Amino acid sequence: GNSVTQMEGPVTLSEEAFLTINCTYTATGYPSLFWYVQYPGEGLQLLLKATKADDKGSNKGFEATYRKETTSFHLEKGSVQVSDSAVYFCALSPPPGGYQKVTFGTGTKLQVIP
Amino acid sequence: DAGVTQSPTHLIKTRGQHVTLRCSPISGHKSVSWYQQVLGQGPQFIFQYYEKEERGRGNFPDRFSARQFPNYSSELNVNALLLGDSALYLCASSSTAVSGNTIYFGEGSWLTVV
Repeated sequence: GNSVTQMEGPVTLSEEAFLTINCTYTATGYPSLFWYVQYPGEGLQLLLKATKADDKGSNKGFEATYRKETTSFHLEKGSVQVSDSAVYFCALSPPPGGYQKVTFGTGTKLQVIP
Repeated sequence: DAGVTQSPTHLIKTRGQHVTLRCSPISGHKSVSWYQQVLGQGPQFIFQYYEKEERGRGNFPDRFSARQFPNYSSELNVNALLLGDSALYLCASSSTAVSGNTIYFGEGSWLTVV
């Protein structure tokens, strides 16, 4: 079956530091890949997505590139802010043809300190 | 435009009781999915409904059921509540039932079973 593996947290960074959160996946074919963010006490917000190999998703300074050869979708940001403190989830959706069962990783908590 | 709305936002139930959670999708979205998020973990897929029909079901017991109404809103029902059902229940909507399409989440319903 499909699975997503994320680096364990919490990740603690100083403001303006570089962020990388690793994500690898197991799936057949070409799934769509997502990063969602969850702020304390809230639901999930879509951060970015990529639907095919070598696609780069980007939003609010965050980027992730769909790497089919390494089955990875690592999240990066060049300069984090305190407001980026949240839990980040990597997720995949199967290729078209099936139903919408999104598989999530366990989440990585990011803490940014001033 | 309103996003995905869920009600109630918080509720406390006793073991053995029944609960009904409600969801209104984004206007124009015909697909609704339900996810369970236990504290510290990623969301787990429960159901997907499209055009009032169940399209997919995750690995949850028959105590969990759902339905979708003609206006595409949805209810999730859980019978004979167990302590382990305590979680954040997330509803997500999408414009189509096609796998790979982006799903958008509501703020969730926090269920505590005592």
